[in-house]
Amino acid sequence: SAVISQKPSRDICQRGTSLTIQCQVDSQVTMMFWYRQQPGQSLTLIATANQGSEATYESGFVIDKFPISRPNLTFSTLTVSNMSPEDSSIYLCSVDGAGGASNEKLFFGSGTQLSVL
Amino acid sequence: SQQGEEDPQALSIQEGENATMNCSYKTSINNLQWYRQNSGRGLVHLILIRSNEREKHSGRLRVTLDTSKKSSSLLITASRAADTASYFCASGSGSARQLTFGSGTQLTVLP
Repeated sequence: SAVISQKPSRDICQRGTSLTIQCQVDSQVTMMFWYRQQPGQSLTLIATANQGSEATYESGFVIDKFPISRPNLTFSTLTVSNMSPEDSSIYLCSVDGAGGASNEKLFFGSGTQLSVL
Repeated sequence: SQQGEEDPQALSIQEGENATMNCSYKTSINNLQWYRQNSGRGLVHLILIRSNEREKHSGRLRVTLDTSKKSSSLLITASRAADTASYFCASGSGSARQLTFGSGTQLTVLP
């Protein structure tokens, strides 16, 4: 299994500002995933972060709003830009295993609870 | 992609009782997974059942899969207060990137 550290764990931000969320994994992984979980809802995949190339965004999510960095195989950041109250959600980093581990299941960070005023 | 449905949306039981949650999905799968989320935290993988399996056990967990009905159920036996959490199913058709999460069931186990 992979151990994932995500920070900050929570933040309260003003409308129009940006927040960068960090995700650190204790082992090298090929793909890292960023999810959004709106209040009382299920998880929606925002994008897949690939090392050495641009992130792959899902329908409805764009790079200008959610820029992602992936400088190496153990670290990624997600920025929520020009925030509005509709961005209030839990943001989750996850990986699909490390080394020879299964790539069918996900390991998650503890999440970042974001509130935008 | 469309998300699966889970029912009930919320379930409240007494400690020691069994809890059953159901999940339906829409497309063909090669596996069905269940995750638990404690309030405001990340998800933890519980169990994976493959499309050619009908039932799987892990400790107090029992998962069934009916591919003809595109449905799965998670049974937690002899529940404990610590089982209080949200439970999500996730249908998989290949890599983890292709997981589609259900709407979740909020389970409350009363001491």
